[in-house]
This record gives sequence, structure tokens and C-alpha cells, in this order.
Amino acid sequence: GAGVSQSPSNKVTEKGKDVELRCDPISGHTALYWYRQRLGQGLEFLIYFQGNSAPDKSGLPSDRFSAERTGESVSTLTIQRTQQEDSAVYLCASSLERGPTDTQYFGPGTRLTVL
Amino acid sequence: GQSLEQPSEVTAVEGAIVQINCTYQTSGFYGLSWYQQHDGGAPTFLSYNALDGLEETGRFSSFLSRSDSYGYLLLQELQMKDSASYFCAVYNFNKFYFGSGTKLNVKP
Repeated sequence: GAGVSQSPSNKVTEKGKDVELRCDPISGHTALYWYRQRLGQGLEFLIYFQGNSAPDKSGLPSDRFSAERTGESVSTLTIQRTQQEDSAVYLCASSLERGPTDTQYFGPGTRLTVL
Repeated sequence: GQSLEQPSEVTAVEGAIVQINCTYQTSGFYGLSWYQQHDGGAPTFLSYNALDGLEETGRFSSFLSRSDSYGYLLLQELQMKDSASYFCAVYNFNKFYFGSGTKLNVKP
């Protein structure tokens, strides 16, 4: 694959349900980021993975949010007991390495709607 | 903490030049990045400035003044396809912090 892919592209769920969002980064990219973007807003950092290092979870808004990544491959973002305020587009990005000069490549996002 | 400020919206006509400003406050600073996002699309990287001065890439240029904690994105010869949101971002402590974005409306 040439770019970052995310699935599903859209997810509608009921309040209180758990959801799992998936991100496939560009092959060989060691860094992976998750962001949340509410309608008309900027990107809000959630979590960052770098290789096999412990992830930086400092942006996760509550303990209902968690994420995993296996090595340098797929990552999943899980939101438990979803709330209406979780409705947003969840974007994943990968970069070759960690660092300010390294370009982030974004996936198309998952639009989550919590009813 | 980190904060970035950008105008929320800018309107310009096709063929014109527009400047989108970004001021930032951060406890550490490595550089300023710019991303473009079309409605419903993913952000795409435009430019990165680590040092003071102007970086030019085709119709787009980006400027940084570290002493003023200020940067801007300059778009020349505006085209309708430039209608999008533009985000500035700073890198600090292993993560990027994004501004809230500037929506650019290009009119014919």
C-alpha cells in the first residue's frame, strides 16, 4: 500500500458501546500518531508510538481510551463506553522516524458518530 | 503548555496572494510545520521551518521568526483548489501540537 489506511471509514454507534478503530501505517514507518479532530477544530494529539518503545499516552482524554500497536505495524484505538462527546474524526499518521523534520503522512480518518 | 493561534478564516480572490499567520507559545521549540486539509480529506504536509527565514516551495512559501514566536504561510497565484484549511504545528516532547486551523476561501 502506498499510504496510511484506516478502517472503518465511518462508524455509527450507540452511546455506551465500545468501538475499535484500525490504522495501517506506511510500511517501514516507525512512528505512529493518533489524533482526534472535532468538527471545525484542529487536531488534538491522543497517543504516539515509536518502534518498540513505551507509547506516549499523555493525550488520551480519559481511561475509556486505549491504543495498541504491534511492533511497527497495525495500530488499534479502542474507545470503551462511548459518549456523545467522542463523536469526531479520528486520524492516524505515520512517519519514518520520530522528529520534527519528519513528515507525517495521514490516513483518511474514521468518522465516529455516537448517538 | 503549548498554544498556537491562527485566524479562523481568510477569503481571497483567485490569482491573489494571501498570508496566513501563526503565533505560538511553547516551552520548547524545534520548528514550525504547515499542513493543508481539504474538506473531508486528510491533512497533507506543506512545509517545515527550523531556522529563521523564508522557505519557498513553488507557489507556497513559509516564514519563521523564532525571536517573535511567529510564522506565516504565503500562498501566491491563488487557485480555486487552494480552498482548504491550513494548520500550523510545532513539535515538542515527541509530539506535534496543531493550531485550530485557518479556513481559506478562494473566490473567482
